[in-house]
Amino acid sequence: EADIYQTPRYLVIGTGKKITLECSQTMGHDKMYWYQQDPGMELHLIHYSYGVNSTEKGDLSSESTVSRIRTEHFPLTLESARPSHTSQYLCASIGGRAHYEQYFGPGTRLTVT
Amino acid sequence: AQRVTQPEKLLSVFKGAPVELKCNYSYSGSPELFWYVQYSRQRLQLLLRHISRESIKGFTADLNKGETSFHLKKPFAQEEDSAMYYCALSGRGSYIPTFGRGTSLIVHP
Repeated sequence: EADIYQTPRYLVIGTGKKITLECSQTMGHDKMYWYQQDPGMELHLIHYSYGVNSTEKGDLSSESTVSRIRTEHFPLTLESARPSHTSQYLCASIGGRAHYEQYFGPGTRLTVT
Repeated sequence: AQRVTQPEKLLSVFKGAPVELKCNYSYSGSPELFWYVQYSRQRLQLLLRHISRESIKGFTADLNKGETSFHLKKPFAQEEDSAMYYCALSGRGSYIPTFGRGTSLIVHP
């Protein structure tokens, strides 16, 4: 089924650990995004990609990195997790005939202790 | 620069009452405007887009270029409408949407 998937859905991890949040979409979309969102709050764009080997930083300063080696896969990595990284991370994509409409994944809720 | 303003952080109404969630934007060109909704424990999803001129779940939104607004309206609110609503803007040719801060709608029985 065409969808956008995020794993894990929930993650509790200790300070200083390296983590990778996975995002995959099976819709063939070329544009992908990562947002940070605290519950019920606004979305902050942290990274985006317009296609394979294309990555850009968003508005929110972040200590994370991303890669786009395959169209369908857009992982987000935190080299050293800190309590300030505790938040929800949303992956989204745009493509196909819905040129500007974003499709969102279910999110990963990260807690850094 | 493009900007989206949702002046109300919280809107609380009773079931059956009319609802209007405000959205004002700032953009120099022709914008693409959207309303997204996030129900409790569900993913953020598109509710409607201005170009479609459609009604979804009883909601409508009209683009008013003179007032640079895209308010979301529903004549009779239902309890299941309780959710976070985000107004978003994309400039033509830009694939970096700008989101408003969101409005939490609570519909009381």
